[in-house]
Amino acid sequence: NAGVMQNPRHLVRRRGQEARLRCSPMKGHSHVYWYRQLPEEGLKFMVYLQKENIIDESGMPKERFSAEFPKEGPSILRIQQVVRGDSAAYFCASSPASGSIDTQYFGPGTRLTVL
Amino acid sequence: SQKIEQNSEALNIQEGKTATLTCNYTNYSPAYLQWYRQDPGRGPVFLLLIRENEKEKRKERLKVTFDTTLKQSLFHITASQPADSATYLCALGDTGRRALTFGSGTRLQVQP
Repeated sequence: NAGVMQNPRHLVRRRGQEARLRCSPMKGHSHVYWYRQLPEEGLKFMVYLQKENIIDESGMPKERFSAEFPKEGPSILRIQQVVRGDSAAYFCASSPASGSIDTQYFGPGTRLTVL
Repeated sequence: SQKIEQNSEALNIQEGKTATLTCNYTNYSPAYLQWYRQDPGRGPVFLLLIRENEKEKRKERLKVTFDTTLKQSLFHITASQPADSATYLCALGDTGRRALTFGSGTRLQVQP
């Protein structure tokens, strides 16, 4: 059973470009979460999605950031017009649909560097 | 605002000893608490989950306690090994909101 997959593992963008980060959840998982980790800091929640629905985007910056989890295919975190402050590790996690308590399983992360 | 504190200084111990890591929180009443391990350049790996009505949970050499009065969780690794060297993160959650709130982690270094 493959774990959570993220690609690319490393992404370099120049200021003003767009970054697209992909996440495929574990098989059988229908909940996806995105977290951001700045150097020497803990993970900060960004957004929680189920198939075709954004459930909680309270941690997402209001501008330039968007996320989707289509019926088919991976979840996408999109950052438009990237700035240097967007440089961070972005982690995706997934969990099964059942239960009210969530054990979240994390992917290896995408390390975004903005030049 | 919610605050989670983990010892930001690295914890250095000798192989074979018990490592004890602390997670304190304020302005929060979590329904459960989780501990994760994170190695450099990798994603967090789930270790243990403890619910608010549980005092203690064990898994092999790992033990977690959860004191909702003190607002504190302790994470113990007995008979520590150099392979246990990593950063350990605590994360709090509640049943009303699935997002986890993470501490900044404590780096453990086990010396052979």
